[in-house]
Amino acid sequence: SQQGEEDPQALSIQEGENATMNCSYKTSINNLQWYRQNSGRGLVHLILIRSNEREKHSGRLRVTLDTSKKSSSLLITASRAADTASYFCARRRAGGGADGLTFGKGTHLIIQP
Amino acid sequence: EADIYQTPRYLVIGTGKKITLECSQTMGHDKMYWYQQDPGMELHLIHYSYGVNSTEKGDLSSESTVSRIRTEHFPLTLESARPSHTSQYLCASSDGTYYGYTFGSGTRLTVV
Repeated sequence: SQQGEEDPQALSIQEGENATMNCSYKTSINNLQWYRQNSGRGLVHLILIRSNEREKHSGRLRVTLDTSKKSSSLLITASRAADTASYFCARRRAGGGADGLTFGKGTHLIIQP
Repeated sequence: EADIYQTPRYLVIGTGKKITLECSQTMGHDKMYWYQQDPGMELHLIHYSYGVNSTEKGDLSSESTVSRIRTEHFPLTLESARPSHTSQYLCASSDGTYYGYTFGSGTRLTVV
């Protein structure tokens, strides 16, 4: 996809372990956001990191951003069964052009009890 | 509890019918968006609005149209539904560039 990719596409871990998901992109960004989507539902906003920030925390979530490598990672610590969902990164492009976030295909995370 | 509401949640309709998917938000957000998502795939922006009487097409070409007569309401219309329109349609709103989107629960449309 020209918009970037999440990696891995699917991840299965045991409850209590940490889960790491990565996101790469190709264009300059204003900010990058992570969302969670439970099966068949809408997306829930998790965290936003601006292009001039390198790391951000929210509860059990840690997001990093490396603009030189055009990549971001989402770490979920001490995973729980309720964390089972798809996780999407979304980029807000810098500069002009159509508004709106650009989403990747997501990482499907399964937490085994 | 959702602050952005989409109806219907599920819709199965015959080819050639006109349909309107409703989206309403109670947060007073100026910016609203429609995304299309096939199962297990990424979201594609099909329409967005900066405020009343403002509508723009997104990255993905769509035969649907939208209107924004009131701040809280952003309906999407398909004049003649086709099986290729079968998908999930997600509505979202935002308070600005440095704020996340609030999404509705989506409408899963099946055209038979």
